[in-house]
Amino acid sequence: RKEVEQDPGPFNVPEGATVAFNCTYSNSASQSFFWYRQDCRKEPKLLMSVYSSGNEDGRFTAQLNRASQYISLLIRDSKLSDSATYLCVALGTGANNLFFGTGTRLTVIP
Amino acid sequence: DVKVTQSSRYLVKRTGEKVFLECVQDMDHENMFWYRQDPGLGLRLIYFSYDVKMKEKGDIPEGYSVSREKKERFSLILESASTNQTSMYLCASSPRQGAWYGYTFGSGTRLTVV
Repeated sequence: RKEVEQDPGPFNVPEGATVAFNCTYSNSASQSFFWYRQDCRKEPKLLMSVYSSGNEDGRFTAQLNRASQYISLLIRDSKLSDSATYLCVALGTGANNLFFGTGTRLTVIP
Repeated sequence: DVKVTQSSRYLVKRTGEKVFLECVQDMDHENMFWYRQDPGLGLRLIYFSYDVKMKEKGDIPEGYSVSREKKERFSLILESASTNQTSMYLCASSPRQGAWYGYTFGSGTRLTVV
């Protein structure tokens, strides 16, 4: 079983829509979680960290549910520029195990 | 801004060639990593290093080696390139062990082995 699993999509949504991605992780001892964004043929870039209490950054909201071992990312009022692949990342115990999901591809349609 | 620079954006090599992928970071980061990214498989850790001359195997080290002679430079070596090593290679660095918020990727090297 993969450490981090997410629906690969693609998610095709109209501009202005709200879209949510979920991600599950297998290691209950994972300490920290992140969402990265990766544009086509570019490197991943940190979008936001995921805090236990949930956190918001503009149109983006991240949630963590430790009991069910999943993380979510909600994007409100989708923009064309939100089209990208979103990678879910979990940091397990130990120093080297930063686990990446395979990514969920989002396309926002005019 | 932290910069992680990978020497080549695109590379085409022949089967059996020895291939060097170079990565340089300019922010005095202690940790450096090499990943490969393939469709449907995501990012997989090949090797990492927490200090000069130090290296640790990641999840898929077979067929690869690394070198870290200077703090700012981390090289990935394909001893004898094979077609199944065709992939996008991404280098990353972070300030120190546990400082995951400063994790920064290079722009990647797309390697094709023919």
